[in-house]
Amino acid sequence: NAGVTQTPKFQVLKTGQSMTLQCAQDMNHNSMYWYRQDPGMGLRLIYYSASEGTTDKGEVPNGYNVSRLNKREFSLRLESAAPSQTSVYFCASRARSGQGNYGYTFGSGTRLTVV
Amino acid sequence: AQSVTQLGSHVSVSEGALVLLRCNYSSSVPPYLFWYVQYPNQGLQLLLKYTTGATLVKGINGFEAEFKKSETSFHLTKPSAHMSDAAEYFCAVRFSGGGADGLTFGKGTHLIIQP
Repeated sequence: NAGVTQTPKFQVLKTGQSMTLQCAQDMNHNSMYWYRQDPGMGLRLIYYSASEGTTDKGEVPNGYNVSRLNKREFSLRLESAAPSQTSVYFCASRARSGQGNYGYTFGSGTRLTVV
Repeated sequence: AQSVTQLGSHVSVSEGALVLLRCNYSSSVPPYLFWYVQYPNQGLQLLLKYTTGATLVKGINGFEAEFKKSETSFHLTKPSAHMSDAAEYFCAVRFSGGGADGLTFGKGTHLIIQP
């Protein structure tokens, strides 16, 4: 089925370790997003990419970097993980405003624990 | 700053009773509005959305929401609650104009269905 695929689904890191969360979409969407979800906080935007080759900061970018590798893939990197980055991470993509079925499609999430 | 407010972090209703989940946003320009549902340990599923046109929007699983510009609200309702409706519900808004792209989420409302 078409959609947004995130890997891995679960990860445990030690403080100071690095890792990259992968996201790929097969809907030919231009815009892609990374969110984090914390209890009682809803989802907060970390970074987004409006098109291939561009990235911009969202609400909570500190401690993260992103790469828009091509139109399909948008990765999120933690260079030196901290316990405060323990969260569930969601990737999303969006159809363009002119496209018929405007909306955001979310991946199933990556549950990250930093110890 | 533009914001989304969901009134009530927890809402409890009896099975068969009316479900009303409230969402208000801060913007003078009509935005795009969404409701998502999240079941435990799962991703986000789109319930319904308002972009343009009819202000009463019908979604999946018998839910509907009405966009009221004068009240800057987009409350979610369902006439008769079912046990399977127990989940976390998020109101999300894409604000028009400048600033970061992407959705701004409310903090979520946990819907509890009493038998």
